[in-house]
Order: sequence, then structure tokens, then C-alpha cells
Amino acid sequence: DAGVIQSPRHEVTEMGQEVTLRCKPISGHNSLFWYRQTMMRGLELLIYFNNNVPIDDSGMPEDRFSAKMPNASFSTLKIQPSEPRDSAVYFCASSRVVGEKLFFGSGTQLSVL
Amino acid sequence: ELKVEQNPLFLSMQEGKNYTIYCNYSTTSDRLYWYRQDPGKSLESLFVLLSNGAVKQEGRLMASLDTKARLSTLHITAAVHDLSATYFCAVDSYTGNQFYFGTGTSLTVIP
Repeated sequence: DAGVIQSPRHEVTEMGQEVTLRCKPISGHNSLFWYRQTMMRGLELLIYFNNNVPIDDSGMPEDRFSAKMPNASFSTLKIQPSEPRDSAVYFCASSRVVGEKLFFGSGTQLSVL
Repeated sequence: ELKVEQNPLFLSMQEGKNYTIYCNYSTTSDRLYWYRQDPGKSLESLFVLLSNGAVKQEGRLMASLDTKARLSTLHITAAVHDLSATYFCAVDSYTGNQFYFGTGTSLTVIP
């Protein structure tokens, strides 16, 4: 299995632009998570899906952030408009069932100038 | 919101020495996970602890869980340089599939 696949690996954009991060979970995994990692705040859970349905988005910082999972093999995290304080590494992770360990993607390093 | 605290945040130790990293969490949970992250890399699962008293060992690392004390430990035996990384504990909230991560412990093993 190829593992959790994220794209792009690096994204540099200017303030105000729309940013879309993509994730393909491991086939057969029913839960998908988006995390943001910064030095100041560590790993923050943004949102998670179970069977493609958003279960908890209380970690999404603002209305500028949105996430979708149109099918079992694809999810997006969108930031519109982006701001410099959004600069971070964004990880996608998936698990087979509730309570099992997470498998993480390689992350997207986002820099908003 | 469930809170997960680790200590120490930074740990510098000599090769061959032993040390323990502590993970405390604020609410009831029977599931605790340890992850490793190398600089600039993703997170890799190390251990899954699913019950009170659970103990898992792999190589020089041993993890344990005390759900009554809401405490997990990661013990390092005879450290080697390859263990240098950041170690995270994570707790699954009792009411749902929400993983909350600790602050991380940055470990540096000095030759």
C-alpha cells in the first residue's frame, strides 16, 4: 500500500490567495483526519471524517477554512483567503476503524507570504 | 477539551543512559498512542496501549499505561543516537474518534 498521500508537498502563496490541500487516505480506511502543526501550538486537530461524513469540525480555526470528503478516497482542505498566520505543516491521517492508530501522510508545508 | 501534557519538552541525554518521558491526560480514556517524528518528516506510530496496565516494548523503548492515574510513560533504555527524534503521545477521547496530541518531547542523544 502506498500509504496516505498528500499533495502538494510544499505550497508558497501570497496573502489573500486560495489554497487547496489534497489527501488520499489508505484504501479501506474509514476515518480521515486533518491536523495542523506549528511550533507554537503543536499538533492541532482541525476536522475529522468518518465514512466520508464530517464528525467534528470544532478545530477549524475560522470560516476561511473548509474541508470536504466527496468520496472514500479523497479529501480536500481549503483556505480562502489565506493569511500569513496560516503558515504551518498540514497533515492528513487515516485509520481503518475507530480507535485504531493513525497513519500519517508526509504533510504539506504551507507558507503564506 | 481533552488536554494532554508531556514532560520534559526537551531532553538531551548521553548514549547508554536511561530516561523516561511522561504523558498526562485530563479525562477518561482507555486508548493511548505513542508516535515518533524525525525532523522534517511525518509521524510514525510506535505503540498502541488499549487497557490499564498495558505494556509494550520494542527495542530500547518501552511504553506503559495507567488509566487510573491518567498517565503513560515511554522509557528509553541505553539510548543510542538513532533514537533522536520528537516523541508524541496521543489520547483518543472517550466519546469519539478524536485524537489529541501532547506537546511532544524533543529527544537528542549525544554520543
